[in-house]
Amino acid sequence: KAGVTQTPRYLIKTRGQQVTLSCSPISGHRSVSWYQQTPGQGLQFLFEYFSETQRNKGNFPGRFSGRQFSNSRSEMNVSTLELGDSALYLCASSHPKGGTDTQYFGPGTRLTVL
Amino acid sequence: AQSVSQHNHHVILSEAASLELGCNYSYGGTVNLFWYVQYPGQHLQLLLKYFSGDPLVKGIKGFEAEFIKSKFSFNLRKPSVQWSDTAEYFCAVKRGGYQKVTFGIGTKLQVIP
Repeated sequence: KAGVTQTPRYLIKTRGQQVTLSCSPISGHRSVSWYQQTPGQGLQFLFEYFSETQRNKGNFPGRFSGRQFSNSRSEMNVSTLELGDSALYLCASSHPKGGTDTQYFGPGTRLTVL
Repeated sequence: AQSVSQHNHHVILSEAASLELGCNYSYGGTVNLFWYVQYPGQHLQLLLKYFSGDPLVKGIKGFEAEFIKSKFSFNLRKPSVQWSDTAEYFCAVKRGGYQKVTFGIGTKLQVIP
C-alpha cells in the first residue's frame, strides 16, 4: 500500500497570504489528523476528520481550518499567515476501527512565512 | 487538559550504553500509549504501543516500554543503543474512544560511535 502523501512538500509564503495543504491518506483509512511541528513545541494537534466530519479540534485560532472529502483526502487551510505559522505540517491517517488505531504519518509540508 | 511530559529533551549516549527516556501523562482514565520515532530525514513512525494487557510492551529494533499506571508513566528503554538509533523520540497518549492524540515535546537522542 502507498503511504500517506502530502503536497506540496515545501511552501514559501508572505505574511497575510493564505495557504492550502493537501493530504492523501493510506487507502482504506478514513481518519485524517493534522499536526503542527515546531522545534521546542513538538507536535501540536490541529484537527481530526473522520468520514468528512471534524471529530476533534485543537487549540488553534480560526485562521486554521480543514475539510475532508468523500475519498478521505483532506486539506487544511491557513488564512492571513503570520510569521509564527512557519512550521512542518504533518498529516496522519489511521484505520477506521478507531479507538486504538495507530497513526501513519506523511512526510509533511514545510511552510515558511516571510 | 491532558498533557504529556518528556523529561529529557536532548540525550547523548555512547554506543552500547543503556537508554531510558521518561514519559509521564496527566490523564487518570483509560489511555492508549505510544512511542513514535523520527529518524533524520524520515517520517514519524510507530515504535511501540500499549492498549491493554501486559504492561511491558516490546517494539521494533529492540525497544521496550513499561506502563506503570500508578505513576502515570510509560518510559522507553533499550539495553544497548546503536548509532542508528540517533533520532527524535515522541511519547503520545490517547484517551479511550475517539479522542485526539496528545504528543510530548520530543527527545532528541544522539548516539556517538
